[in-house]
Amino acid sequence: KAGVTQTPRYLIKTRGQQVTLSCSPISGHRSVSWYQQTPGQGLQFLFEYFSETQRNKGNFPGRFSGRQFSNSRSEMNVSTLELGDSALYLCASSGQGLTNEKLFFGSGTQLSVL
Amino acid sequence: AQKITQTQPGMFVQEKEAVTLDCTYDTSDQSYGLFWYKQPSSGEMIFLIYQGSYDEQNATEGRYSLNFQKARKSANLVISASQLGDSAMYFCAMREGPSGGGADGLTFGKGTHLIIQP
Repeated sequence: KAGVTQTPRYLIKTRGQQVTLSCSPISGHRSVSWYQQTPGQGLQFLFEYFSETQRNKGNFPGRFSGRQFSNSRSEMNVSTLELGDSALYLCASSGQGLTNEKLFFGSGTQLSVL
Repeated sequence: AQKITQTQPGMFVQEKEAVTLDCTYDTSDQSYGLFWYKQPSSGEMIFLIYQGSYDEQNATEGRYSLNFQKARKSANLVISASQLGDSAMYFCAMREGPSGGGADGLTFGKGTHLIIQP
């Protein structure tokens, strides 16, 4: 069974640009969540999607958005990039997004904003 | 207040020794899940073990076991017979929410950098 797949693996952008990251969950998983990892703030929850609907959201500005497609694949978008958006963005999937479910992560997308 | 506390920023351990990584958590929910992940330098987040708040037995997954002490709000990871490949960052995380219901996002600790020495 294939794991969580994130593309691209690395990305370099300049301030003011926008970026879209992609995540394909484990087959059969319907919940996809996104996390940002930086050396200063550590790992922080961005948002979670289930059945194409955003179900939970972390404390991030509106420049961070996402969506989920009918096949459960998800994308996240960051508009008007800032230097502080440089981070490893991790996607995770689980079956239904329940409290008692295991959560599996992808390898992440390393975003550098210059 | 921090929800997940990992008090060991770094640890050096001899190969083949057992390792205990500490994790304490803070929640007022009755239903929650506790996770441990391993993150090697490549960046991927590898699932190690899960413990539900209602699980009466400590979770085990191969060489990994979770020492769950609910009253103390403690969920320490034990790695038996450590190997060189165990060198990595280890994160403790918690997910809150109703049992069998939609959960919040994971809250992570700051991590422990484990180095296994030959």
